[in-house]
Amino acid sequence: DAKTTQPTSMDCAEGRAANLPCNHSTISGNEYVYWYRQIHSQGPQYIIHGLKNNETNEMASLIITEDRKSSTLILPHATLRDTAVYYCIVRASGNTGKLIFGQGTTLQVKP
Amino acid sequence: ETGVTQTPRHLVMGMTNKKSLKCEQHLGHNAMYWYKQSAKKPLELMFVYNFKEQTENNSVPSRFSPECPNSSHLFLHLHTLQPEDSALYLCASSQDLSRTDTQYFGPGTRLTVL
Repeated sequence: DAKTTQPTSMDCAEGRAANLPCNHSTISGNEYVYWYRQIHSQGPQYIIHGLKNNETNEMASLIITEDRKSSTLILPHATLRDTAVYYCIVRASGNTGKLIFGQGTTLQVKP
Repeated sequence: ETGVTQTPRHLVMGMTNKKSLKCEQHLGHNAMYWYKQSAKKPLELMFVYNFKEQTENNSVPSRFSPECPNSSHLFLHLHTLQPEDSALYLCASSQDLSRTDTQYFGPGTRLTVL
C-alpha cells in the first residue's frame, strides 16, 4: 500500500483558502487518492477523491501533480467548522476496499 | 450524515461484562466495516463484511466477535475486554469493496472499559 506523508498541523484564517499538502511518492498507477476529515470525536467524513485529473466538488478541490507523487486539498473559503483532522489516503490496490488512515493533518481555522 | 447509525453512542463496561455494539446503514450498501480509534492513534480497520460474509479480520483478538445478519446490520459483540480496549469504535459502509468506492462512517460508539 502506498504510504502518505502529511504535515502534523496547519493553521488557516477564517475566510481564506486552506491548502493541505500530501506526499504519496510510491503511489502506483491505478491507486486513487482519497481525502477524509474527522471533526473531533465524530466519524470520518468523505471529502473528495481523484486518480489523475484535478477534481472539484461542493466541499473542496483536489489538485494532483502530473507525476502523481503529491496532491493538495483546497478548501476555498475555510470556516471555523472546517477545523478537523484531514486524512490523505491512497486506496489499497486489489479488491479489499481497505482504507488505511495515517495521523493526518490537524487544521485549525482561526477567526 | 444519517445514513449510518450506531448505538449506543457511549458505553461504559466492566471487564467481566458482555455487551454489543450495533450499526445500521440505510444506504443500500453491501459492504460494512468496523474500525477502532484509540486515543492519539490512527483509525485501525478491524473487520470487513461483504454481502454478509466476513472478508477480512485484521488480527483482532477473539474477545471482539462481529456478526452481520444482513447487509444493513452489523454488530460487534464484546466480552472480557481490557482497559486498553477503551476507544472510539466506528462503523462504515460502502456499496461494495471496490477501491473506488466511498466509505460512509457512522458517528461511533465511545467505549470505556473499567
